[in-house]
Amino acid sequence: ETGVTQSPTHLIKTRGQQVTLRCSSQSGHNTVSWYQQALGQGPQFIFQYYREEENGRGNFPPRFSGLQFPNYSSELNVNALELDDSALYLCASSLAGDEQYFGPGTRLTVT
Amino acid sequence: AQSVAQPEDQVNVAEGNPLTVKCTYSVSGNPYLFWYVQYPNRGLQFLLKYITGDNLVKGSYGFEAEFNKSQTSFHLKKPSALVSDSALYFCAVRAHTGGFKTIFGAGTRLFVKA
Repeated sequence: ETGVTQSPTHLIKTRGQQVTLRCSSQSGHNTVSWYQQALGQGPQFIFQYYREEENGRGNFPPRFSGLQFPNYSSELNVNALELDDSALYLCASSLAGDEQYFGPGTRLTVT
Repeated sequence: AQSVAQPEDQVNVAEGNPLTVKCTYSVSGNPYLFWYVQYPNRGLQFLLKYITGDNLVKGSYGFEAEFNKSQTSFHLKKPSALVSDSALYFCAVRAHTGGFKTIFGAGTRLFVKA
């Protein structure tokens, strides 16, 4: 059984640029959630996808968008990057929103 | 509004002693409650969950948690702490109001001293 994987591991971008982060769900899982974790804080929920449809969203602006593909892999896109977007981005997969299995995260630095 | 509170930033306990990490929540409807653990340089790992049924739920590594509806609490417990339990613990609640969302607490760092 393959766990949740994320790419890239680290990323450095400049303010105003756009970024795409990728996540491969655990086998058999149909739900993926994305979180932003700032240093020393708990994960903040960005959104959740279930069978390719967004079915939940946290308090993040529209420049945070996502996709879930038929194989249940997922992307997080962030447009017009701001310095405050620097954080660890976590992807988690689950079966219909039950307990979540997290990937190792992508560390994004915006300069 | 839905929220999760972990009132202690840090909990210190001696090895072999019982430990409790506190969590209270506020959510509409019946809560789905979770505990996750984050070890240094490792990802978040699921520990246990409460959906329905028995108020005392058992999870991985000897941890358990007690759901208390009247106090809206879901405290994490272990009868005998190990040094290897030292980590960052997060309580989370799954809410369904205008869509699904999972809300995490700010985390409690557990230090177990030998």
